[in-house]
Amino acid sequence: AQTVTQSQPEMSVQEAETVTLSCTYDTSESDYYLFWYKQPPSRQMILVIRQEAYKQQNATENRFSVNFQKAAKSFSLKISDSQLGDAAMYFCAYRSVGTSGTYKYIFGTGTRLKVLA
Amino acid sequence: NAGVTQTPKFQVLKTGQSMTLQCAQDMNHNSMYWYRQDPGMGLRLIYYSASEGTTDKGEVPNGYNVSRLNKREFSLRLESAAPSQTSVYFCASSRQGAGNQPQHFGDGTRLSIL
Repeated sequence: AQTVTQSQPEMSVQEAETVTLSCTYDTSESDYYLFWYKQPPSRQMILVIRQEAYKQQNATENRFSVNFQKAAKSFSLKISDSQLGDAAMYFCAYRSVGTSGTYKYIFGTGTRLKVLA
Repeated sequence: NAGVTQTPKFQVLKTGQSMTLQCAQDMNHNSMYWYRQDPGMGLRLIYYSASEGTTDKGEVPNGYNVSRLNKREFSLRLESAAPSQTSVYFCASSRQGAGNQPQHFGDGTRLSIL
């Protein structure tokens, strides 16, 4: 079974600085997708960025980018020029195929990011 | 553009009471999911459904039942609520097929069992 591990329960970053959130996963599949979701205090789950395992190029969305290391099964999120609005819980997620053909998404335990003014 | 709608947003129950959490999506998604979120444990899958009439157990199905009423609606029922089921519940949906389809989430239901 696939697992997703986020080893940093909490991180802090100064406004305008860069921070990297870690995520590792375990799988025997060769083709899969990885996601980072943001959950602000409003409780909404917001997709931040996604990565296809077959793509070597790291995904980028504005200030957010990933460092995808397939052999190491690592998928870290880098936030550049951190803003106060980036403060949230961040979840790493892995998508696999379930028994009925439905995609199952496996989430890590989350990293709470604090942004200091 | 409603997306995924969950009702209610908050609920307090007494131990032993029953309740159904409602979820509806208007994105024509095939797959729907129910998760619970507890501090330090992330999101754990309770049940999921590939299509109307099909449901499968997730990681923590005990104490819950689900119904995929039609393509739009997927409900979660607690037959006899227990304090251990105090949690925030999220419904989500996604498209099937190829591609990096993310899940779309509702705003969650905060459920307290006394």
